[in-house]
Amino acid sequence: AQSVSQHNHHVILSEAASLELGCNYSYGGTVNLFWYVQYPGQHLQLLLKYFSGDPLVKGIKGFEAEFIKSKFSFNLRKPSVQWSDTAEYFCAVRFTGTASKLTFGTGTRLQVTL
Amino acid sequence: SAVISQKPSRDICQRGTSLTIQCQVDSQVTMMFWYRQQPGQSLTLIATANQGSEATYESGFVIDKFPISRPNLTFSTLTVSNLSPEDSSIYLCSAEKAGGRGEQFFGPGTRLTVL
Repeated sequence: AQSVSQHNHHVILSEAASLELGCNYSYGGTVNLFWYVQYPGQHLQLLLKYFSGDPLVKGIKGFEAEFIKSKFSFNLRKPSVQWSDTAEYFCAVRFTGTASKLTFGTGTRLQVTL
Repeated sequence: SAVISQKPSRDICQRGTSLTIQCQVDSQVTMMFWYRQQPGQSLTLIATANQGSEATYESGFVIDKFPISRPNLTFSTLTVSNLSPEDSSIYLCSAEKAGGRGEQFFGPGTRLTVL
């Protein structure tokens, strides 16, 4: 079955630390990849997306993600986190032939301390 | 992009009753979806709301329990029927525009508590 894994369930970082959140998916075909963020009390927002082309994509608020096809991965990175980045981060994948359905990872709760 | 609103934002219901959640999009969209997000957990797709036809349900979700309507390209409703405490959750509506390739916009969610 198609699945998405986020291995970091809860990450605690100090401000200015670098961030990398892992996302792996189980499939060898064409995928569209997304990272969504859910700030406390707010709705899900799109951080960035990958459809094709340059595997390094940049999103809002200084986030970027790299698609590594050979590793079925789409890890999220930010060089220097801020307290305001405290949120839940979800990786989502649209697998070929699934009629636009998204499969979400379990989410990573990021807590940034001052 | 698309802006999505949901009503109600939250509700507390008694066991055995039903709750209907409305989802309104500010522009015409091709696809609309309904998800459930249990506290501290990820999103689980309930169904795809199809305009003018029956919704497409995911495994484990049935029409009798989660009837869905989509009368036009900007509006959908989800009813959660015969409520039990296990239905306590956040219900999210999302939408995708034509050519979106899976990019979905999400509503603020409806927090349901069943007593």
